[in-house]
Amino acid sequence: GAVVSQHPSWVICKSGTSVKIECRSLDFQATTMFWYRQFPKQSLMLMATSNEGSKATYEQGVEKDKFLINHASLTLSTLTVTSAHPEDSSFYICSARANNEQFFGPGTRLTVL
Amino acid sequence: DQQVKQNSPSLSVQEGRISILNCDYTNSMFDYFLWYKKYPAEGPTFLISISSIKDKNEDGRFTVFLNKSAKHLSLHIVPSQPGDSAVYFCAATLYNTDKLIFGTGTRLQVFP
Repeated sequence: GAVVSQHPSWVICKSGTSVKIECRSLDFQATTMFWYRQFPKQSLMLMATSNEGSKATYEQGVEKDKFLINHASLTLSTLTVTSAHPEDSSFYICSARANNEQFFGPGTRLTVL
Repeated sequence: DQQVKQNSPSLSVQEGRISILNCDYTNSMFDYFLWYKKYPAEGPTFLISISSIKDKNEDGRFTVFLNKSAKHLSLHIVPSQPGDSAVYFCAATLYNTDKLIFGTGTRLQVFP
């Protein structure tokens, strides 16, 4: 199956700083990638849909100015959490679509102190 | 508003027996249902899916049943193996969208 990677796998940062998470499709091109967030013991919640070469589409309740998404190439989408706060601590997972199927990355654990 | 619900947070089954994981949904506009398996600190991996026009799909040890009138689906794993121990999420997509709406997950533990 198609492989999706994320970097970093975990990150700890101070409150007020910005953190960038990368999502790469390793062996295929993805015009569409998705960003999810999972809080402990909760479901994965879709945050936004990232489209190559255009603006991301955000789900209701997700601040686009806080969660900046850039899909600059067919194999890379980035999520930047700006001015992170402790409540942003979560598990962030991306997925990329190929052949009508979504392939998920391994996730990034963000802890904001 | 949780459109996809998994009411059992955990399930424990003996090896060799059947595991049945349940999922309920509220939106009649869902057209595809999927099951994902997830290990800690990893992303979900696709397991099996079913179209809303079908009531059963089977793949090896895994079978998914869909009851549209009851807005209920279930995943059957038989025989269960210790390697099946993981968190299982059901998910659904709306007509003409790629968006996955996930349930809260059920932790399955298969013991020897």
